[in-house]
Amino acid sequence: GDSVTQMEGPVTLSEEAFLTINCTYTATGYPSLFWYVQYPGEGLQLLLKATKADDKGSNKGFEATYRKETTSFHLEKGSVQVSDSAVYFCALSKSSNSGYALNFGKGTSLLVTP
Amino acid sequence: DADVTQTPRNRITKTGKRIMLECSQTKGHDRMYWYRQDPGLGLRLIYYSFDVKDINKGEISDGYSVSRQAQAKFSLSLESAIPNQTALYFCATSPLGAGEGTDTQYFGPGTRLTVL
Repeated sequence: GDSVTQMEGPVTLSEEAFLTINCTYTATGYPSLFWYVQYPGEGLQLLLKATKADDKGSNKGFEATYRKETTSFHLEKGSVQVSDSAVYFCALSKSSNSGYALNFGKGTSLLVTP
Repeated sequence: DADVTQTPRNRITKTGKRIMLECSQTKGHDRMYWYRQDPGLGLRLIYYSFDVKDINKGEISDGYSVSRQAQAKFSLSLESAIPNQTALYFCATSPLGAGEGTDTQYFGPGTRLTVL
């Protein structure tokens, strides 16, 4: 079945460091790919998404490119801030009997220190 | 006001008790979902609904039931709570259709449930 694998955390970085969180997926067909972010004490928010191969999603300085050849959707940011501390979830979605139910990775916790 | 609200936000209960978690949305979406989040496991789908007449089991529906009272309301019940149902529960919505944006889900703030 479909699945998402993302790097385990926690990831600890200093402010202004470069961030990469790896995500790979297994799916048949043509899924859409997402990054959701969960700030402490809050629900999940959509950070960015890409719906087809070679698409790049971007938001708030974060980027991820849909790579079908490597089945990857790695999240990157050039300079992280303390306010980026959160849990990041990679997810995939495709049309099925469950509509567009999301299939999540286990989440990667990021802590950015001043 | 938040588009997707969940009540209660926190609940502590005892084994064997019946619990209902409620979700309301003002986004006008037809599709609604219930997930549970456990540390290190991500989110897993419990139930989903495409409209008031459509209810479907997700990956981990055993021990849970749902009710779609209206387009805007989707409740999750634990008929007889047990300790391994201690988790963070999220409701989510998405629009109906197959076009742009219909694959994006919008989440409530979550309900933290503890079963003693």
